[in-house]
Amino acid sequence: EAQVTQNPRYLITVTGKKLTVTCSQNMNHEYMSWYRQDPGLGLRQIYYSMNVEVTDKGDVPEGYKVSRKEKRNFPLILESPSPNQTSLYFCASSSSGTGGYGYTFGSGTRLTVV
Amino acid sequence: GENVEQHPSTLSVQEGDSAVIKCTYSDSASNYFPWYKQELGKRPQLIIDIRSNVGEKKDQRIAVTLNKTAKHFSLHITETQPEDSAVYFCAASRNFGNEKLTFGTGTRLTIIP
Repeated sequence: EAQVTQNPRYLITVTGKKLTVTCSQNMNHEYMSWYRQDPGLGLRQIYYSMNVEVTDKGDVPEGYKVSRKEKRNFPLILESPSPNQTSLYFCASSSSGTGGYGYTFGSGTRLTVV
Repeated sequence: GENVEQHPSTLSVQEGDSAVIKCTYSDSASNYFPWYKQELGKRPQLIIDIRSNVGEKKDQRIAVTLNKTAKHFSLHITETQPEDSAVYFCAASRNFGNEKLTFGTGTRLTIIP
């Protein structure tokens, strides 16, 4: 089954404790992206990647890191999480090309930083 | 960067009536405009998209219109049904692709039986 898999689904952590949210897709997609979803703010892009070793900042990259060493994986790293990073996070992937290829989203990771 | 504004933030319509959600964008170079639907507790899913070389696109009860001059695009849902209740997001990007896709803040649509 074609899918984007995120882990964990839920995570409660303490301020300053480094964490990684994993994302993997099995569709051989070139594009991958991380979004955070907050009430009233919609989906805001954190980082995106157009292919292996090619990443760029989205609209809210501060406090996050990513890497794209393999085409299928795009982990999100929070080196020193803070309470304002409490949010619902979505990983997404899509084929490259000119339109008509929507993002396939993962199931989401609900992160709470206390 | 791109800024996408979406209105209204909430919308309630009687079952069978039509619903319209409107978005404006700031970057005149944007040329790809998808719409996503997110049901409660679920992930967003693409429902329709339009490119800047097309003024209107329709898929059964859903249609999207684009006015490049006004930098404005809209989602139209006709003959609404209870399963249309969800949050809808518009988005915009350049290069007809998804690499830097900016979303609006969402519209919560409620269909009243």
